[in-house]
Parts: sequence; structure tokens; C-alpha cells
Amino acid sequence: QLQLQESGPGLVKPSETLSLTCTVSGGSISSSSYYWGWIRQPPGKGLEWIGSIYYSGSTYYNPSLKSRVTISVDTSKNQFSLKLSSVTAADTAVYYCARENWSIDYWGQGTLVTVSS
Amino acid sequence: EIVMTQSPATLSVSPGERATLSCRASQSVSSNLAWYQQKPGQAPRLLIYGASTRATGIPARFSGSGSGTEFTLTISSLQSEDFAVYYCQQYNNWPLYTFGQGTKLEIK
Repeated sequence: QLQLQESGPGLVKPSETLSLTCTVSGGSISSSSYYWGWIRQPPGKGLEWIGSIYYSGSTYYNPSLKSRVTISVDTSKNQFSLKLSSVTAADTAVYYCARENWSIDYWGQGTLVTVSS
Repeated sequence: EIVMTQSPATLSVSPGERATLSCRASQSVSSNLAWYQQKPGQAPRLLIYGASTRATGIPARFSGSGSGTEFTLTISSLQSEDFAVYYCQQYNNWPLYTFGQGTKLEIK
């Protein structure tokens, strides 16, 4: 059974960079069939797609966040990562990593990241 | 960007009754539409993809219909575990996924 697990700091200061890693187990991130993505959900609000990466390193980003987002992959560790720079309180959210199979068929449990000084 | 609009925002239904949730796209997404269920403190769970195909392990009481710009999720006989928030999502404009704002299904 495929599992995804987010990890990283739960508290980030304003103007700094948010960094999260997703570790994939029970399957290979190098599968040619899937993209791997990040989605976030501010407290009490809806879902926002952040961006996706293929095992080869090809990336796509939400235009609204593109200038601040970097997603990378480490196939040797079966992990992919998110960096979001210049964060503000508006970036406070639960961040999910996920497998994209056109729809999103596997999700991590999510990790709350709070932006506060 | 394709905007997804769900209605109603909140739906109150009694257990055992039928629930009908709607999702409208600002332009055609063909059948590239998914539905997710989210319970408090949990990640979303894929229910329906391709507008009408149930994901693995999803009970038959969940059904999806529609194409183009109008979509419906129907839960035929509500069980206690079905009360949750439901989101639609288009992937026709892949990789630029967009989600609806959600419908909260609550016990009447």
C-alpha cells in the first residue's frame, strides 16, 4: 500500500522560507505513470494546488505562487520536497503531499505549518 | 483558470435519505472531474474520478454524473460516516488543478 508522509518545521517566521519533504513508501517515485504534488489548505478553508513534479525533475507550478515555489525530487531517497519563499501569515495552512494520477489518488496525512514571529 | 463552483455550501440531510451535491465549471472540463470526501482532521479521500467512476473501495451508494460544465455527486442512502465536506476538482486543465470551495454535508 502506497504511503506518503510529510515532514518539516511546523513554525516558520514571516519572510523566511518554508521547507517540507514528502517521503514515499510502498512504491517507487520513479514510476513513469505519475506526477507528485503539493496541495495546501488554510485553516477552515478549501484546497489549493501548489505544484507538481515528475521523477525526471519536470515541474509545474500554480501561477499564483510560481514566483515563490520550488519543488524538487530525490529519487535515491524516494522523496520530493517543497520550498516556499517569503512566507506571510496567508501561507499558514495544512500542507499535503500527494500522488497525481490525473485525479489525486493518494494523499499524505498533512502537516500544519504556521507562519508567525 | 477554470473556476469550480459548488452548491449548496451546506446541505442538511437525515440519515437514510438521499443527498445531491452540485459542481459547476466555468468552462467545459469534459469528464475530467473528481470528487473527494474530507472528514475533520483527515486528508481528502478520492471518491469519484472521470466524473462517474468510483475509486477503489468506495461504496456503491456514492455515484457521480455529468459532463462538460455540470456535475452531480449523489449519495443514495446516507450513513453516519458520510457526513463530511465534499470537494470537486477538475483536471481537464492539467496540470493546473482547481478545486471547488466545498459542500458541507451535515446531519439534519
